[in-house]
Amino acid sequence: EDQVTQSPEALRLQEGESSSLNCSYTVSGLRGLFWYRQDPGKGPEFLFTLYSAGEEKEKERLKATLTKKESFLHITAPKPEDSATYLCAVHPLRGGRRALTFGSGTRLQVQP
Amino acid sequence: DTGVSQNPRHKITKRGQNVTFRCDPISEHNRLYWYRQTLGQGPEFLTYFQNEAQLEKSRLLSDRFSAERPKGSFSTLEIQRTEQGDSAMYLCASSLTSGGGRGELFFGEGSRLTVL
Repeated sequence: EDQVTQSPEALRLQEGESSSLNCSYTVSGLRGLFWYRQDPGKGPEFLFTLYSAGEEKEKERLKATLTKKESFLHITAPKPEDSATYLCAVHPLRGGRRALTFGSGTRLQVQP
Repeated sequence: DTGVSQNPRHKITKRGQNVTFRCDPISEHNRLYWYRQTLGQGPEFLTYFQNEAQLEKSRLLSDRFSAERPKGSFSTLEIQRTEQGDSAMYLCASSLTSGGGRGELFFGEGSRLTVL
């Protein structure tokens, strides 16, 4: 069974204090790994897709990386508006399945 | 393009009642997904449509749950004989064929269900 574990569960940073969020996964064949951002009371918002180990994607202060067992979301010099829950999800290779398996997320709070 | 629209945004019901949620996807998207999310957890997959065909269902989708997507446009998710354990946020997402393969799901703001 596919498993996604995110750590830490919660993270509090000062504005400008860089850090990384971890997503460890177990899947029998990876079609893709995805990062989403979710604000309170809202649906998840797509950030990145990573397909193979060694791949990196960047968007503003965010950079996602992928290895064969985990992914990191690096946040450089965060701002208060980066406060949100960051979700990681995997899409398995099995057949024509479209279901993503999500982790429980990391709740990030950036204080001014 | 107004994004994925879900109604109602909030629903409070008594145990045993039936409830129905509606999702209007982005107009050109042919794939539609339902997920359920409880507090502090990530979304859990329920079901997926490509056009009007329901192609995948999670074992979480008990026989009290039914989803439809007539004519491949909007979708409804009905829960019969609600239980307190059904209390959750029900999220709808849509994607284009190629976008879905890359995980670029566009989510609505969800319908929050509270079963008393």
